[in-house]
Amino acid sequence: DGGITQSPKYLFRKEGQNVTLSCEQNLNHDAMYWYRQDPGQGLRLIYYSQIVNDFQKGDIAEGYSVSREKKESFPLTVTSAQKNPTAFYLCASSRTQVQETQYFGPGTRLLVL
Amino acid sequence: EDKVVQSPLSLVVHEGDTVTLNCSYEVTNFRSLLWYKQEKKAPTFLFMLTSSGIEKKSGRLSSILDKKELFSILNITATQTGDSAIYLCAVVNAGNNRKLIWGLGTSLAVNP
Repeated sequence: DGGITQSPKYLFRKEGQNVTLSCEQNLNHDAMYWYRQDPGQGLRLIYYSQIVNDFQKGDIAEGYSVSREKKESFPLTVTSAQKNPTAFYLCASSRTQVQETQYFGPGTRLLVL
Repeated sequence: EDKVVQSPLSLVVHEGDTVTLNCSYEVTNFRSLLWYKQEKKAPTFLFMLTSSGIEKKSGRLSSILDKKELFSILNITATQTGDSAIYLCAVVNAGNNRKLIWGLGTSLAVNP
């Protein structure tokens, strides 16, 4: 079955730690995205990548970093510089470099202790 | 500034009711409008609308776009408890690297 997987489902982080959220897709999609979802704020774009070895900042990139070394994988690192990292993180992909019709993974809920 | 506004923010209905969810937008260089359904976790794609007046339909769900008045509606007929979810609307700006602008969503609860 084709799809997008994210791991872990839940993640607990101590203050001052960096953590990495995994996102893998086997849809052969070129473009991948990371969103953050907070109650009452909708989806906000963190980073996106239109092609391997290239990525761009979204609206709220501060305190986050990404890499795109393989087409299938787009991991997100939440660094200690991110002031309020507790949120639900969604990874998505789309077939081409245009951003229409994005398909989402199941999400990772990050909680800072 | 581009924006997408969904209404109502939340809605409670009984099984069998028909509901209409609204999505209005102010986006420079409109390309398309997307509807998603989000239950506990991943948003799932419902419809993409690009042309005014052409209804998209899938089972009990249908949607239509009005590009003159800058809004779309999502209709759900004969609602079921499984329709309980957050319904998200997003608009694609063709100019800004085809960025999606998301609304806050409408939370629908269908009671038995």
